[in-house]
Amino acid sequence: ILNVEQSPQSLHVQEGDSTNFTCSFPSSNFYALHWYRWETAKSPEALFVMTLNGDEKKKGRISATLNTKEGYSYLYIKGSQPEDSATYLCAFLSYNQGGKLIFGQGTELSVKP
Amino acid sequence: DGGITQSPKYLFRKEGQNVTLSCEQNLNHDAMYWYRQDPGQGLRLIYYSQIVNDFQKGDIAEGYSVSREKKESFPLTVTSAQKNPTAFYLCATEIGGAYNQPQHFGDGTRLSIL
Repeated sequence: ILNVEQSPQSLHVQEGDSTNFTCSFPSSNFYALHWYRWETAKSPEALFVMTLNGDEKKKGRISATLNTKEGYSYLYIKGSQPEDSATYLCAFLSYNQGGKLIFGQGTELSVKP
Repeated sequence: DGGITQSPKYLFRKEGQNVTLSCEQNLNHDAMYWYRQDPGQGLRLIYYSQIVNDFQKGDIAEGYSVSREKKESFPLTVTSAQKNPTAFYLCATEIGGAYNQPQHFGDGTRLSIL
């Protein structure tokens, strides 16, 4: 059974703090790693799809890195704002899973003004 | 996501009853997925369909059924065989054919037992 772990489970920071969290996934048969942001009362929204070892992607104040050899990805938020409060999900896709994403349990971020 | 409509938003099921959750999309995406979310757990895949008239079981298909008669629609039936149906259900779509594309999600249906 493929397992995707996210840490920490929850995080509380002050406005302006920079923060990061981790997604760990199997290092074999890697195809892609997805990051989604899920705000309360909304639907999950795609942030990044990463496919290459060493990939770095950026969207505004949010960036992500990928290490497929050791099986982890980091998501960074620079200068957190209250509107960044959400659950951040990562999902792993392997070559032999026929397009099925395996999701982590998410990291819940709360940014206090 | 504006192109994916899930209904109803809230649904209550009586013991022994089958209920159907609707998912409609106008994104012209080939692939559609049903996920279940329980507190403290990641999204778990129930069923998915890569093309019309074809679908596959996900990791937790027991007690559920689906159909894919039209590209736009992928309804999920929660049968009486599903003994613990209380959860939040999300429908997602993907362009299909290239697995490096993101999935797009609906707003979800929350199902509870009466």
